[in-house]
Amino acid sequence: DAGVIQSPRHEVTEMGQEVTLRCKPISGHDYLFWYRQTMMRGLELLIYFNNNVPIDDSGMPEDRFSAKMPNASFSTLKIQPSEPRDSAVYFCASSLVPRARGYGYTFGSGTRLTIV
Amino acid sequence: GDSVTQMEGPVTLSEEAFLTINCTYTATGYPSLFWYVQYPGEGLQLLLKATKADDKGSNKGFEATYRKETTSFHLEKGSVQVSDSAVYFCALSGDTGFQKLVFGTGTRLLVSP
Repeated sequence: DAGVIQSPRHEVTEMGQEVTLRCKPISGHDYLFWYRQTMMRGLELLIYFNNNVPIDDSGMPEDRFSAKMPNASFSTLKIQPSEPRDSAVYFCASSLVPRARGYGYTFGSGTRLTIV
Repeated sequence: GDSVTQMEGPVTLSEEAFLTINCTYTATGYPSLFWYVQYPGEGLQLLLKATKADDKGSNKGFEATYRKETTSFHLEKGSVQVSDSAVYFCALSGDTGFQKLVFGTGTRLLVSP
């Protein structure tokens, strides 16, 4: 399995532009998570999906952020308009609801976003 | 709600030293406990886990024992290497249905030759 695949790995964008981050979860995983990591705030859960349906978006910082999962193999996180304070590493993770406990998540390699 | 508390870093050690990174948790019931590791420029990787009291998770020379009585899951390694330099995250998930992972703030480990 190729694991969780995120693209792009790095993105540098001017303030005010739209940014789209992409994620392909592991095939068969029921859950998909978007996290943001910064030095100041650490690892923050933004939103997660179950069977392509958003379950909890309480971590999405503001209306400029939106996330979609049109099918089981693809999700996007969009920021419009982008601001310098959105600069961070964004991770996608997926998980399978197991019969046994303690399955955990598989993370992608992240997208390092810089807004200038 | 559920929470995880980790010791602040960075933890700075010389190669072959003994490592302990403390982790305590607050949760109802019997959560599953995890340690994740993040190497520079990479995503988090599952290092080890334990799903019930007194279980010991182990991987790559690292160990952690699920202590219900002290609500702890401390990470240990007998002899660290430079390649162990990374950020280590303790995490838990609840024991009913699907529970999202709750992460600690992470502890940076720096190992010098």
